[in-house]
Amino acid sequence: DIVLTQSPDFQSVTPNEKVTITCRASQTIGSGLHWYQQKPGQSPKLLIKYTSQSFSGVPSRFSGSGSGTDFTLTINSLEAEDAATYYCHQSSSLPGTFGQGTKVEIK
Amino acid sequence: QLQLQESGPGLVKPSETLSLTCTVSGGSISSSSYYWGWIRQPPGKGLEWIGSIYYSGSTYYNPSLKSRLTISVDTSKNQFSLKLSSVTAADTAVYYCARRLVPATYPFDYWGQGTLVTVSS
Repeated sequence: DIVLTQSPDFQSVTPNEKVTITCRASQTIGSGLHWYQQKPGQSPKLLIKYTSQSFSGVPSRFSGSGSGTDFTLTINSLEAEDAATYYCHQSSSLPGTFGQGTKVEIK
Repeated sequence: QLQLQESGPGLVKPSETLSLTCTVSGGSISSSSYYWGWIRQPPGKGLEWIGSIYYSGSTYYNPSLKSRLTISVDTSKNQFSLKLSSVTAADTAVYYCARRLVPATYPFDYWGQGTLVTVSS
């Protein structure tokens, strides 16, 4: 199975700051790397698909990049509503796997 | 608007079978464009893909669960179901159903709200 390791595990950020979350894969992934946002008590919501494609309705402050084994989710100008846990997910190889999550807290 | 709703017992005894159903509304489960899947999340922990099914009945299972797992589809009811046998406390989790497009690499784009299943005597 492909192991996805996210860093950091936790980040406390001031509103309007930039947030960067990384996801490192244990082996090369094609383009099947995606990012989800999960707020407490809610199901995950798709933010970014195929490394850098924004899903419908997602604010433009969310963006993704990367290739090979290293991928990044960036939140430009963090807003209070962005407090959540973020997960990367790979679907390039079965079984699909998820990162352990990065919790973003608003200072 | 597509909606997915999980249903089933919230409490299952150890060694018994966990059974859940996902009812799809606002869209047809028989569409050739989609796979339907199950994902779970133990309390306070991360996400684990369980398996996926196509309307024809074709399935993909997580090898770590395959020996205990059955996913089936009922197109007449617009539902798909999960059965996990011989459960233990480690199977306690919120179980989500979700949809993805047919390309195997596509992510899950619509999710149900999830249902908590506790394994305890």
